[in-house]
Amino acid sequence: DAGVTQSPTHLIKTRGQQVTLRCSPKSGHDTVSWYQQALGQGPQFIFQYYEEEERQRGNFPDRFSGHQFPNYSSELNVNALLLGDSALYLCASSLLSVRMNTEAFFGQGTRLTVV
Amino acid sequence: AQSVSQHNHHVILSEAASLELGCNYSYGGTVNLFWYVQYPGQHLQLLLKYFSGDPLVKGIKGFEAEFIKSKFSFNLRKPSVQWSDTAEYFCAVNSPSNTGKLIFGQGTTLQVKP
Repeated sequence: DAGVTQSPTHLIKTRGQQVTLRCSPKSGHDTVSWYQQALGQGPQFIFQYYEEEERQRGNFPDRFSGHQFPNYSSELNVNALLLGDSALYLCASSLLSVRMNTEAFFGQGTRLTVV
Repeated sequence: AQSVSQHNHHVILSEAASLELGCNYSYGGTVNLFWYVQYPGQHLQLLLKYFSGDPLVKGIKGFEAEFIKSKFSFNLRKPSVQWSDTAEYFCAVNSPSNTGKLIFGQGTTLQVKP
């Protein structure tokens, strides 16, 4: 079963740099959502992509951007990294075209450390 | 504002003890409710979910949760915990018409002593 896969698993970046994280959704899913999980906190919704467009966004600055490709995979880009961006970044996929009552499946996450 | 509150941040139990983790939500309208578990080094996994119907839902590994609409609560229970239940537990909520956005509580760390 092809679950949600994320790459890389770990990443260390310097303040001010840019980073790209990648996600492949579960087979058959068409929607990708990204979450930021700071240490000791629950995941916080960043944004959601469906049909290659950002459909909704949480309370994150424009430094956070994304993209969805025709094969439903997605990228999360963060520009001008801050120390506070250090976190576990989670990708979740679901089948939005079903609309009601679907569940999200999560990847293992990318641990980003900004130094 | 939509929010989820988990009352217990860190719970320590001995094996065979009973577990109840509290979860309250603030959300206008109809909700879907979830409990996710994150074992050390692993991804978030769905324990159980409530969409509609019987407010007592059963999940994997012997877990169950009860939705009490009047109390805006969705507490997680297990009659007898095992050492392998040591993990982080998250309560989450979304709207049936907006399933792509989950709102999570801050999590409860459960430590089960053998």
